[in-house]
Order: sequence, then C-alpha cells, then structure tokens
Amino acid sequence: GENVEQHPSTLSVQEGDSAVIKCTYSDSASNYFPWYKQELGKRPQLIIDIRSNVGEKKDQRIAVTLNKTAKHFSLHITETQPEDSAVYFCAGLGASKIIFGSGTRLSIRP
Amino acid sequence: DAMVIQNPRYQVTQFGKPVTLSCSQTLNHNVMYWYQQKSSQAPKLLFHYYDKDFNNEADTPDNFQSRRPNTSFCFLDIRSPGLGDAAMYLCATSRETSGRASLYFGPGTRLTVT
Repeated sequence: GENVEQHPSTLSVQEGDSAVIKCTYSDSASNYFPWYKQELGKRPQLIIDIRSNVGEKKDQRIAVTLNKTAKHFSLHITETQPEDSAVYFCAGLGASKIIFGSGTRLSIRP
Repeated sequence: DAMVIQNPRYQVTQFGKPVTLSCSQTLNHNVMYWYQQKSSQAPKLLFHYYDKDFNNEADTPDNFQSRRPNTSFCFLDIRSPGLGDAAMYLCATSRETSGRASLYFGPGTRLTVT
C-alpha cells in the first residue's frame, strides 16, 4: 500500500522568506497529491493539489512541484506571512483513500 | 452554504460509557469518512462509507462502530471509551473514492474521557 513520508517535522522561517516542505511516496501508481493546512484548533483545509500529468502548479504564493521519477512532491510558500503559521500535511492516494504524511509545523518568525 | 457539520463540538464522557458523535453534510457527497486525530499527529482514518458500503480500516479497534442511515448523516459510536480514545474526531466527505476528489472536513468533535 501507499506510504507517505514528510519532512521536516518542524520548520521556522523569517517572515518574507520562503518555506519548502517535501514528501515522498511509495506507490508509483499514485496520481493525485494534495496538501492540507491545519491552523491551531481548526480543521484541515485543502490549499493546493496536483495531478500526475503536470509537474508544477501555482496559486499566488504557494506552489507544488511533482517529480514522478523520484516519487516526491514539494510545497513551496514564498514571501511567508504570519498567517502561514500552521501544520501542513501532504497526502497520497492509497487503495482509493487519502493517506496523510506526518505533518510539518511551520512557524513564521517576525 | 454547503458544508460538513459535526455535533457536538466538545464531548466529555466517562471511561466505559458509550458515546455517539454525529456528522451531517449538505454537499450531497457519496463518501463520508471518520478520522481520529491526536495532538501533534496526522489524521488517522478509522473507516469510510461509499454510499451505503462500509469500509473499515484493518487497525480500527472493534470498539469503534459507524452508521450511515442516509446520504446526509453519519455517526461514530464508541462503545466503551478508554482514556486512549481521547482525541479530535474529524468527519470528512468527498465526491468519490478515487482519491482524486478533495476532502472536505467538518470542524471536529473534541472527545475527553474522564
């Protein structure tokens, strides 16, 4: 079955700098890679996703890149702001269900 | 607004006393999921329904059961809660099980076991 590994587990960046979170997956048949953001005490919310037929997708300050050969995908946040502080989960598709990575706690330093 | 609603938001139960958490959705999605999330951990899938078809995860304890009486509602029953079952319980929906459909989460029910 699918296994998703995420790192780093914690990340602290200066406000305005970029943040990168990486995930690797095991199932080469996986074709859908979402990222969820969970603020403290709130529900996870989808922030961006990518299908396997593209290598990169952008939405304002966030982007996701996919390397199918290496079986990894990354979340990039540019010009970080205080409201980007949260836990971010990557996810992969395993046996028709979403499998979450272990999460990255992102802190933005003022 | 279409949404996923969970009740109650906070539930306190005693050790061994059965408890039921509820989830409803106005999205008309086929699939409803129950996740358990403990502090600083990723959501862990307990089971899901595709329409009326129930799919249990292999490592979900028998203590956890679910019912889906209709498209809109899904319940999580914990028959004999233990201290280790204290967690946030998240209900989620999606249009299909292919995994290519996004998950829509409810606000969660935080369960405390005393």
